Amino acid sequence: DTAVSQTPKYLVTQMGNDKSIKCEQNLGHDTMYWYKQDSKKFLKIMFSYNNKELIINETVPNRFSPKSPDKAHLNLHINSLELGDSAVYFCASSRGTRSNEQYFGPGTRLTVT
Amino acid sequence: DAKTTQPPSMDCAEGRAANLPCNHSTISGNEYVYWYRQIHSQGPQYIIHGLKNNETNEMASLIITEDRKSSTLILPHATLRDTAVYYCIVRVEGGGFKTIFGAGTRLFVKA
Repeated sequence: DTAVSQTPKYLVTQMGNDKSIKCEQNLGHDTMYWYKQDSKKFLKIMFSYNNKELIINETVPNRFSPKSPDKAHLNLHINSLELGDSAVYFCASSRGTRSNEQYFGPGTRLTVT
Repeated sequence: DAKTTQPPSMDCAEGRAANLPCNHSTISGNEYVYWYRQIHSQGPQYIIHGLKNNETNEMASLIITEDRKSSTLILPHATLRDTAVYYCIVRVEGGGFKTIFGAGTRLFVKA
């Protein structure tokens, strides 16, 4: 029933580790996004994929690498985690690149210690 | 993107209509008004959007003034589950949002 799902919901890890967050949508949407929400609740776009192709790559460190095996999945891999990576990461999807009607996942709270 | 101004918080009695205002006096002709909300510890939720005509869906109604400089989101019969932060965003179509949310209106629905 879930439209956009993310795993895990919580992730606690140490600096320097590598971790992945998975996202899946069953809405049949073509476009998927990764956002980062900071402590002030600002949501900033990181990446956007349309039909498995990268279309938006904001100023994000190379340690962050998205991977889209098919248009229903967009995973986020983070290398060499830093304290400043602690945040809530949201995955979202939309019907196409021209739609701002986006559907968000429940978020993954990443804590780097 | 045009700047928006919303009151920081509002209260509403359960079962009553919640009317959330948003000012966007610098909106340009091709910018839409979007409303999202974020319930505590959940992902943002799309509510409704419009260009210049009033819009209604199963969640809410959106009333946009004729000059498009302001709009009001109406939740016709607020419930306790509508307690959330509501965000009014002005954006052209396409490409997603670069930086959104942050302020918004914190709506408290009280029994």
